[in-house]
Amino acid sequence: DGGITQSPKYLFRKEGQNVTLSCEQNLNHDAMYWYRQDPGQGLRLIYYSQIVNDFQKGDIAEGYSVSREKKESFPLTVTSAQKNPTAFYLCASSQRQGSTGELFFGEGSRLTVL
Amino acid sequence: SQQGEEDPQALSIQEGENATMNCSYKTSINNLQWYRQNSGRGLVHLILIRSNEREKHSGRLRVTLDTSKKSSSLLITASRAADTASYFCATDAWVNFNKFYFGSGTKLNVKP
Repeated sequence: DGGITQSPKYLFRKEGQNVTLSCEQNLNHDAMYWYRQDPGQGLRLIYYSQIVNDFQKGDIAEGYSVSREKKESFPLTVTSAQKNPTAFYLCASSQRQGSTGELFFGEGSRLTVL
Repeated sequence: SQQGEEDPQALSIQEGENATMNCSYKTSINNLQWYRQNSGRGLVHLILIRSNEREKHSGRLRVTLDTSKKSSSLLITASRAADTASYFCATDAWVNFNKFYFGSGTKLNVKP
């Protein structure tokens, strides 16, 4: 079935460590996104990519990095520079050309810093 | 920030009743979407309404859009316990239709 796969579902990290969250899609979508969600809050955009080898910062990019080397993959690295990384991270994708704009989401990755 | 705000933050109703939640946003948009999120899960798209539309229906869902007031409402009719979830509105950026902004959500509890 087509969809978005995020891994791992749960991740624990010690302070000072970098971690990478995986996001893979088989929907042949051009655009991919990373959002952060804190308890009881909405989604805040970290990074987005509209095409392979190109990405833009969202509203809260500091302390995060991404790459888009393949159309189907958009990994997010949470670096030690991110001061408060404990959160629920959501990856999404959408078609770019002729799009209705609908976002398809993965099931999320919950990161806890110990 | 263009981020929208939903109102109310939380809503508790009995099964069979209607649920109405509202969304306000700040700048011009191309379209507005509503999403649902079950606890600890990803978001699921419910319905999209374009800026030149005023009302749209999908099953038990009815969405309205008032661009002059920069607001939208989502009505769920004949609610069911399975409708218990958080509901978010999302708007795109007029100058970048592939960038989406989400509100803080309405947490709906439907009591059986």
